[in-house]
Amino acid sequence: AQSVTQPDIHITVSEGASLELRCNYSYGATPYLFWYVQSPGQGLQLLLKYFSGDTLVQGIKGFEAEFKRSQSSFNLRKPSVHWSDAAEYFCAVDTGRRALTFGSGTRLQVQP
Amino acid sequence: NAGVTQTPKFRVLKTGQSMTLLCAQDMNHEYMYWYRQDPGMGLRLIHYSVGEGTTAKGEVPDGYNVSRLKKQNFLLGLESAAPSQTSVYFCASSRLAGGSSDTQYFGPGTRLTVL
Repeated sequence: AQSVTQPDIHITVSEGASLELRCNYSYGATPYLFWYVQSPGQGLQLLLKYFSGDTLVQGIKGFEAEFKRSQSSFNLRKPSVHWSDAAEYFCAVDTGRRALTFGSGTRLQVQP
Repeated sequence: NAGVTQTPKFRVLKTGQSMTLLCAQDMNHEYMYWYRQDPGMGLRLIHYSVGEGTTAKGEVPDGYNVSRLKKQNFLLGLESAAPSQTSVYFCASSRLAGGSSDTQYFGPGTRLTVL
C-alpha cells in the first residue's frame, strides 16, 4: 500500500530564512503529489501539485516543490518565510484509488 | 461561490448518541469524501462517493454511515458515538476521481467531541 512520510513533526525557522519541508512516499509508480497547508482552525488549502512534466512546480504564496523520482521525494521549499506562513503542512499522494493518502503533517513555527 | 461547507462546526455528544454531519458543495463536483483528522496521523479517508446515489468505504469506515441522495450533499452519520470518534472531520469534493488531473477542495471541518 502507498504511504507518505513527513519526517519532521515540528520545524521552527526565523522570519526571512529559507524553508524546506520533507516528504517521502512509497508507491510502485509515479503518483500524483500534493502539498496542502492548514492554518489553525481552518480547512486545508492546496499549495501546489505535481502530475507530470517539469519536476519543479510552483505554487501559491511563493512556495515551490521538487519531485525527485530517484529519492521518492517531493520536498516543499520557500526562499524567505513570512510570519503568516506559520501553519501545518501536509504532503499527500493520489495513486488513482479515488482518494488522497496524507502524511502526518509538519507544524511550522516562525520566529520574529 | 461558497465552495465546500460543513454543518455543524462544533458538536459535543455523549457516548451512544447519534448525529449527522452535513457537507454541501456548490461546484457541481461528482466526487465527495469524508476524512477524519487525528493528532499525529494526518487525514484518513472514512467514506467517499463517486456520484449521486453511490457510496464506498475508505480506510477507516467502521462506526460511520454515509448517504449521497443529492449530488451537492454528502452526509456522514454516527449511529452510536464512541469516544474513539472524537476527531475533526473534513469533507472534500473534486470534479474527477483520483487518478486524473484534479484537485480536492476541503471544507472548514467539524470538531466533534464524544464524552
